[in-house]
Amino acid sequence: GESVGLHLPTLSVQEGDNSIINCAYSNSASDYFIWYKQESGKGPQFIIDIRSNMDKRQGQRVTVLLNKTVKHLSLQIAATQPGDSAVYFCAENIGAGSYQLTFGKGTKLSVIP
Amino acid sequence: ETGVTQSPTHLIKTRGQQVTLRCSSQSGHNTVSWYQQALGQGPQFIFQYYREEENGRGNFPPRFSGLQFPNYSSELNVNALELDDSALYLCASSFGAGTANTEAFFGQGTRLTVV
Repeated sequence: GESVGLHLPTLSVQEGDNSIINCAYSNSASDYFIWYKQESGKGPQFIIDIRSNMDKRQGQRVTVLLNKTVKHLSLQIAATQPGDSAVYFCAENIGAGSYQLTFGKGTKLSVIP
Repeated sequence: ETGVTQSPTHLIKTRGQQVTLRCSSQSGHNTVSWYQQALGQGPQFIFQYYREEENGRGNFPPRFSGLQFPNYSSELNVNALELDDSALYLCASSFGAGTANTEAFFGQGTRLTVV
């Protein structure tokens, strides 16, 4: 598995501002990507997914952008709320739906009221 | 709540012992995947069970083994526990393996501490 440090990247945003969380994925053959939110003491919660034949997908208050050229994903959260405070992970998969996922390094989002 | 239940929620074991963790999948789901999440890291894929057969394995030694039952619940067994096995163990339930348009739901995890 990948070697990562114990200190997660942290993003602090003011309540009501937009948040952008970035992720670099590793495998150019990956064709399915998911963003998860993980709150303390809980399992990862699905936020939004995107397949490799798309560049952008929008959900409720969230947008995922995929740049396959540079193997980069981003998650945009509009009007960030205190309940959005959590660790966010991107995950990649080969074979959409098979859910044998490779998770990236998480980003801790802290929302300042 | 996701409908995926893991037991126990917390466990303390001694190095060299064996442990069994359990996962009840969401109703209608026939695939269970197990992940290990060390502190401060993202989950790492251990293996997946689909219709009672192993359907993919990550980079984990053979002392990590699993089982899936006819009701699609699953067990993760770890033999000869090492201190580095201390982690949060997550199971994810989904329908189908290699099929699209279904979401995987994670349980709350089992926190294993090896001393």
